[in-house]
Order: sequence, then C-alpha cells, then structure tokens
Amino acid sequence: AQTVTQSQPEMSVQEAETVTLSCTYDTSESNYYLFWYKQPPSRQMILVIRQEAYKQQNATENRFSVNFQKAAKSFSLKISDSQLGDTAMYFCAFIRTQGGSEKLVFGKGTKLTVNP
Amino acid sequence: GAVVSQHPSRVICKSGTSVKIECRSLDFQATTMFWYRQFPKQSLMLMATSNEGSKATYEQGVEKDKFLINHASLTLSTLTVTSAHPEDSSFYICSAPARDKADADTQYFGPGTRLTVL
Repeated sequence: AQTVTQSQPEMSVQEAETVTLSCTYDTSESNYYLFWYKQPPSRQMILVIRQEAYKQQNATENRFSVNFQKAAKSFSLKISDSQLGDTAMYFCAFIRTQGGSEKLVFGKGTKLTVNP
Repeated sequence: GAVVSQHPSRVICKSGTSVKIECRSLDFQATTMFWYRQFPKQSLMLMATSNEGSKATYEQGVEKDKFLINHASLTLSTLTVTSAHPEDSSFYICSAPARDKADADTQYFGPGTRLTVL
C-alpha cells in the first residue's frame, strides 16, 4: 500500500522569505504522479504543482517548485517570496498512473502561516 | 485546469432527514468521481468512488446504506446522507480526474459542502 508522510504539522514564514515543506512517500510502483494541493481557509482544494515520476526535471509553477528525489522517495515543496495569500494547509498526494479510477493518497497536511 | 462545482455549499438539517449533495464537472466529462469527508484540522478521508453507470465502491468502514451515491451522467454525481444524525456533520468534498484534458491524472476538487445536522 502507498503511504504519504508529511512530518511538519505546522510551519511559519515571514512574508517575502522562502519556505520548504517536506513530503516522503512509500510505494513499489515505478510510474506515478505526485501533487501538492493547497487548502486555504475557504477550504477549496487548489492544485499547486504536479510531478510525473518518470520526469527527472523538477516541476515549477511561478513561485512554487519541487525537489523530487525518486530514489529517496522525497517530494518537497519550496515556496519563494512567500505571500500572505499562501497561508493555507498544504497536502502532499500520490496517485498511481493507471487511469482515473485510482485513488489519491494524501498526507496529513502541513499548516503554513505567512506572517507580515 | 478544470472546474468542479458542488451544491449546496452549506446545509443545515434536522436529525432524521436526508440531504442530497451534488457534484458536477463543468467543463469536462467524469466517468469517475470521488467523495471525501474532512474533519476539522484533518486530511481528506476517502469515502467512496462514484462510477458512471455502475455501483459506487465504498471504502472500508463507510456505510453504503447511509451514504447513497448515484452517478447518473458523465457530469453529475450525487451523495445522499440518509437519516442524518449530528455525527454526520462534516465537510464533504468531491473530486474528479479530468481525463479528457492533458493532465488526465490530476484530480480537481469541488468547493465542498458543509453539513450541519441539528
């Protein structure tokens, strides 16, 4: 069974600084996707970034980037130039690449607070 | 990205009544949708997988007679909480993979429904 572990229940960062959220996972699959979702106080789950396991290049989306270490089964999220609007719960998630019926496996989440 | 809507966003009902929550994919077809329940300050807990044209698949420990799921079309899945009780009060979220889009394995989420049972 796949598992996703987020070891930081809470983190805080000053506005404009950089913060890294950690995520490790366990799987015997070779092909899969990894995601970071953001859940702000509105509770809408928003996709932040997506990484395909077969791609060695780390995904980036504007201020968000990942450090994907496949051998170590690590998938950390770096947020640069943190903004107040980045305050949210962040969930790391895993899915096997076998079509849309596969289930997302979530970590327990990291609550990030950006301080002014 | 893709858009998923949920209705209602918030519902309050009396104990013993049934409540229906709708999940719609607005700009893509979804043969599969997922229903989650989220308790305060916790992660999402998968309740069931909704399959268009066939029975839903429930996770272990989820009462299928309590949480009825109907996936009547390629864009609509409904979750009915039958004979609701206060312990059913929670935040319910649906998601769907946008298979006909380039990021086929990415799931998009509805905004959620807050259910309060008095």
